[in-house]
Amino acid sequence: NAGVTQTPKFQVLKTGQSMTLQCAQDMNHEYMSWYRQDPGMGLRLIHYSVGAGITDQGEVPNGYNVSRSTTEDFPLRLLSAAPSQTSVYFCASSQPGGNTIYFGEGSWLTVV
Amino acid sequence: SQKIEQNSEALNIQEGKTATLTCNYTNYSPAYLQWYRQDPGRGPVFLLLIRENEKEKRKERLKVTFDTTLKQSLFHITASQPADSATYLCALETGANNLFFGTGTRLTVIP
Repeated sequence: NAGVTQTPKFQVLKTGQSMTLQCAQDMNHEYMSWYRQDPGMGLRLIHYSVGAGITDQGEVPNGYNVSRSTTEDFPLRLLSAAPSQTSVYFCASSQPGGNTIYFGEGSWLTVV
Repeated sequence: SQKIEQNSEALNIQEGKTATLTCNYTNYSPAYLQWYRQDPGRGPVFLLLIRENEKEKRKERLKVTFDTTLKQSLFHITASQPADSATYLCALETGANNLFFGTGTRLTVIP
């Protein structure tokens, strides 16, 4: 049972570089989302998707892009990394209707 | 804007006692509220969901209550064990299964 798989687990970027955090789920879930977690703050929603081809912004979308070309994958792109994007990123998936939300194990990103 | 307060950053409790964690929220009442467990270096793990029309939910040693008048949820762990030591997160549904999280309470169960 893979569940929600995130790669990479750890990444160090230089300011201005771009990269993509990968997220894949094998549960055929319609809903997927990305959160970031910073010390002293709750997880904050970056972007989400309610199905293939449909994405929308969350609470903190600036500096990030997403796309959902398949049900399984929901990559998060950092366009031009900034030190303020140093954080732990979590991908999540679920079925509609308030069902259990499954989180990945996280991707630790440091921007220097 | 929505705000969530979890009663304290850290809570220490003796093994065998009942741990009670509080989640207070402001503004709108969500359709449901969830509790998660998070261990260091890991992702949140779903524990319980309670809907706005439910007063109480139980799962083994866990119990959640939801008072939409007080805008409060209580999370209880009975007969606590050292293995229950973790950070517990309260989260409100904001639509499309998206969640607004509190900052969490770090529970330590002392043997």
